[in-house]
Amino acid sequence: EPEVTQTPSHQVTQMGQEVILRCVPISNHLYFYWYRQILGQKVEFLVSFYNNEISEKSEIFDDQFSVERPDGSNFTLKIRSTKLEDSAMYFCASSESSSTGELFFGEGSRLTVL
Amino acid sequence: QKEVEQNSGPLSVPEGAIASLNCTYSDRVSQSFFWYRQYSGKSPELIMSIYSNGDKEDGRFTAQLNKASQYVSLLIRDSQPSDSATYLCAVNTERDDKIIFGKGTRLHILP
Repeated sequence: EPEVTQTPSHQVTQMGQEVILRCVPISNHLYFYWYRQILGQKVEFLVSFYNNEISEKSEIFDDQFSVERPDGSNFTLKIRSTKLEDSAMYFCASSESSSTGELFFGEGSRLTVL
Repeated sequence: QKEVEQNSGPLSVPEGAIASLNCTYSDRVSQSFFWYRQYSGKSPELIMSIYSNGDKEDGRFTAQLNKASQYVSLLIRDSQPSDSATYLCAVNTERDDKIIFGKGTRLHILP
């Protein structure tokens, strides 16, 4: 069964460093998303991406964050100058159609900022 | 600002009984509604989607939608210990490409 894959599964970084989280969405999906979940809290929307551009972003997704689809398969989230409060699980998701909104999530990348 | 509200629980239900999970949403133009299951330390997994008023059944799961009351529910029949998880309600509108999640309800099935 097709699945969304994410790497790394866990990354530990020092405050102020840059981090890139990678995702390979399901191959025939056109809509891509990043969500984050701080431990014990809700799944929060960060950004949606379609046709090589951002379609929606939340207030969390400020200039510290960027997304890119560098080739036909990868979808990346870059976090510049990480802060302690960026520590969270970051989930990538993809959807065949935005109108159905059925998201398929990867296993997540746990980011720990020290 | 779209909001999705759920009782955080925990909701304890005896094995074999019906578990009833509820969700309300604030944006009246919401069009698509979803229930996801999240096991501890894992990613959300889609269980059900519902788009029109009424009931939708899939195996032991029934989703119910009442747009007038801005209310979505999920019924789990013949609850099993493996159903113990956090259930996330999620809502989308067609005017933006953003699916918003509630905080989730922790369900504990008692053997």
